[in-house]
Amino acid sequence: EIVMTQSPATLSVSPGERATLSCRASQTIYTNLAWYQQKPGQAPRLLIYGASTRATGVPARFSGSGSGTEFTLTISSLQSEDFAVYYCQQYENWPPYTFGQGTKLEIK
Amino acid sequence: EVRLVESGGGLIQPGRSLRLSCTASGFDFGDFALSWVRQTPEKGLEWVGFISGNPSAGRTEYAASVRGRFTISRDDSKSVAYLQMNSLKTEDTAVYYCTRGPYYDSTGYCVHWGQGTLVSVSS
Repeated sequence: EIVMTQSPATLSVSPGERATLSCRASQTIYTNLAWYQQKPGQAPRLLIYGASTRATGVPARFSGSGSGTEFTLTISSLQSEDFAVYYCQQYENWPPYTFGQGTKLEIK
Repeated sequence: EVRLVESGGGLIQPGRSLRLSCTASGFDFGDFALSWVRQTPEKGLEWVGFISGNPSAGRTEYAASVRGRFTISRDDSKSVAYLQMNSLKTEDTAVYYCTRGPYYDSTGYCVHWGQGTLVSVSS
């Protein structure tokens, strides 16, 4: 089973600033990585797949990068609606699909 | 618009059974694989299992934690998928999501999610 590790657990950033979230896989997953955003009381929402492709309707301030075992989600200029929990998920080697434990992005 | 609506959750005693439903609309249901994903505050998001769509319809895979207790099925004529949960344990308490990806033979990433249904296993 591939273990996904996200860091940091909590990230405090001011609106308008850049946020950088990390995700590491325990073995190579090439670019078979997705990022999700989850707000309280809501289901997760797909942001990025293929490590760097934005899903439909996702603003351009969200970008993904990386390959192999190291991945990054960058939010270039934080808006109020971006404060949420972010999860990464690998879909290279399954079953099982596995998720990271999440990074909570909070207002500084 | 793609919609996935889960139902059937509730409070259930350990050892009992429960069946969740996922009713879909807005796409050709039979052509896509579906996965069930659950979420708890303690363990986060956990993939539970998957069922394939056409042309390899009916193939299933499960997480080790539920294999042998949970069964996923689908009725393409009704656009509904099911998660039959037997021998429930307290650790199965979670919000259960139905998800759909872009493929028929695997879920891959979850493009669409239902709103979730809460299952509470407690005596």
